[in-house]
Amino acid sequence: QVQLHESGPGLVKPSGTLSLTCAVSGASISSYNWWSWVRQPPGKGLEWIGEIDHNENANYNPSLTSGLTFSIDKAKNQFSLKLSSVTAADTATYYCARVAMRDGYNKFYFDFWGQGILVTVSS
Amino acid sequence: QSALTQPASVSGSPGQSITISCTGTSSDIGDYNYVSWYQQHPGKAPKLIIYEVTNRPSGVSNRFSGSKSGNTASLTISGLQAEDEVDYYCASYTTTNTYIFGTGTKVTVL
Repeated sequence: QVQLHESGPGLVKPSGTLSLTCAVSGASISSYNWWSWVRQPPGKGLEWIGEIDHNENANYNPSLTSGLTFSIDKAKNQFSLKLSSVTAADTATYYCARVAMRDGYNKFYFDFWGQGILVTVSS
Repeated sequence: QSALTQPASVSGSPGQSITISCTGTSSDIGDYNYVSWYQQHPGKAPKLIIYEVTNRPSGVSNRFSGSKSGNTASLTISGLQAEDEVDYYCASYTTTNTYIFGTGTKVTVL
């Protein structure tokens, strides 16, 4: 069974950098899947942040590209997100998710999700 | 990119059928059959219930069904049950190699 688990600080100061890691078990980060980040501000809807593949190709939400970087660590089977110059508007529960693949083809939906981590931006 | 448009709330009586709409554009829903739906319980991660417009993952009740016409996708819940009273989100792949979610719909069982 594929499992994803987010980790990182729950509190980040304004103008600081938000750093999160998603550890993957039950699947290889080196597979052809894409690995995504999604966030959800308190009481609001889901927002796709972006995705990365095993070759560190990345696609980003055009509304969020400023200060956003993804990375992948094949040795640790995990991928990470960094968002710099954060503001209170970046306060949200952050989820990592796997983009489904079948028969070697990307299927463009999220089949496994982490449990989410609440990150609050506050001084 | 703006979110796909969903009604904020939909309600129905137990046993009835309800339909949640999800309206996008020709750059997302209208161009691909890559619409998915997610069910989210409070404080929990979203759970996939429909993918590629009409397909249900293994283990998801056949009371959930999906469809699409033009730029609008729909999720129908038949035989409404109390346990269906949670939030639902649609999502679509887009022509700019990104994903976009819907605004979310809260289902109320009367």
